Amino acid sequence: GQNIDQPTEMTATEGAIVQINCTYQTSGFNGLFWYQQHAGEAPTFLSYNVLDGLEEKGRFSSFLSRSKGYSYLLLKELQMKDSASYLCAVRSFYNQGGKLIFGQGTELSVKP
Amino acid sequence: DAGITQSPRHKVTETGTPVTLRCHQTENHRYMYWYRQDPGHGLRLIHYSYGVKDTDKGEVSDGYSVSRSKTEDFLLTLESATSSQTSVYFCAISESGGDSANTGELFFGEGSRLTVL
Repeated sequence: GQNIDQPTEMTATEGAIVQINCTYQTSGFNGLFWYQQHAGEAPTFLSYNVLDGLEEKGRFSSFLSRSKGYSYLLLKELQMKDSASYLCAVRSFYNQGGKLIFGQGTELSVKP
Repeated sequence: DAGITQSPRHKVTETGTPVTLRCHQTENHRYMYWYRQDPGHGLRLIHYSYGVKDTDKGEVSDGYSVSRSKTEDFLLTLESATSSQTSVYFCAISESGGDSANTGELFFGEGSRLTVL
């Protein structure tokens, strides 16, 4: 089976940097995704990692270590609008149809 | 934004009644998914489809059925709704499912909030 763990809640200050961790267990790893979800809205795609290393996209970066089953999402220069839930999801070669298995999400609160 | 619409967006129904949620896409994507989202559980896959008339179960499929007679439509049916099926239901689509150079990320609809009394 697959198991994904991420912290339930985090709080950070506007302008700061925050790192949201995700650990996973899966066989046939075929990609890790990060999504952002504001309250009452649909999840939106943030980043994708399939090889080890860092992927940077503006203020957001995502890191993957396949040997450790570990990823993190790094948010820089935090803004109030970054207050949202951040979802880590994993895909396996053994999951027909490319389906993603999601963690419970990390609720990030950005304070002034 | 990916062209995905869900209907109805909100529905209140009574225990024991049938309910059908519709997902319609204009992207001609092959893969379609139904997830439910509940506090403390995150997004959980109910059923998915990898082509017209090709569907399979997800991790929480009991009490649900699906149908896909056209590429653009994926229907989720609760034959006899129960209070435990009160949830927010999200439809998602994917172009490749990760079986090509495309990353295969999922694009989500706006969600359908279902309350079963």
